[in-house]
Amino acid sequence: AQKITQTQPGMFVQEKEAVTLDCTYDTSDPSYGLFWYKQPSSGEMIFLIYQGSYDQQNATEGRYSLNFQKARKSANLVISASQLGDSAMYFCAMREGFSNNDMRFGAGTRLTVKP
Amino acid sequence: DSGVTQTPKHLITATGQRVTLRCSPRSGDLSVYWYQQSLDQGLQFLIQYYNGEERAKGNILERFSAQQFPDLHSELNLSSLELGDSALYFCASSTRTSGGLNEQFFGPGTRLTVL
Repeated sequence: AQKITQTQPGMFVQEKEAVTLDCTYDTSDPSYGLFWYKQPSSGEMIFLIYQGSYDQQNATEGRYSLNFQKARKSANLVISASQLGDSAMYFCAMREGFSNNDMRFGAGTRLTVKP
Repeated sequence: DSGVTQTPKHLITATGQRVTLRCSPRSGDLSVYWYQQSLDQGLQFLIQYYNGEERAKGNILERFSAQQFPDLHSELNLSSLELGDSALYFCASSTRTSGGLNEQFFGPGTRLTVL
């Protein structure tokens, strides 16, 4: 069964505007972590932000914030004030349990920022 | 720079051949993960090692094997290569800590092309 679903294969946003990238997940484990990674055209995977299942507040890291809706099992990434350098693939990932387990990734969303 | 190194950066070989991909984790990280990223399968977890021992297995083919050495570097061996094995292979590392963060730091990847 698909654990992580990213329903937007591609998204466009105007420079300086905000954009939301969707991610839903499926797990029966009460302890889990949700991650977002950015993959620019150069290929490397860059960690952006993390949300733990027991965290009371939505995670924020600079222009990135995670809209965590636990009951709906969604963990959407919000990028504020988009920049041209934000154009990349974005992957949502989940780790079940808080030990050092592997992560399962979604199919990704390709974000293009228009000048 | 994540601190994870992978060699070689590019590898071109023929069907039926065998190759070895190498990964050095970040200093102090005990866990190493291998992922395969292909156009049709997305980013898939292959295998995890922790301090020299296999910890978890994902969608790894029997033709593939890995090991982690006492100095914590890891090698992924791919044999009897097929055209469909062409992909970007990532290594990631993380430190075993308490709590939930445990983000994985990815290397730059090895792009394997099987002709």
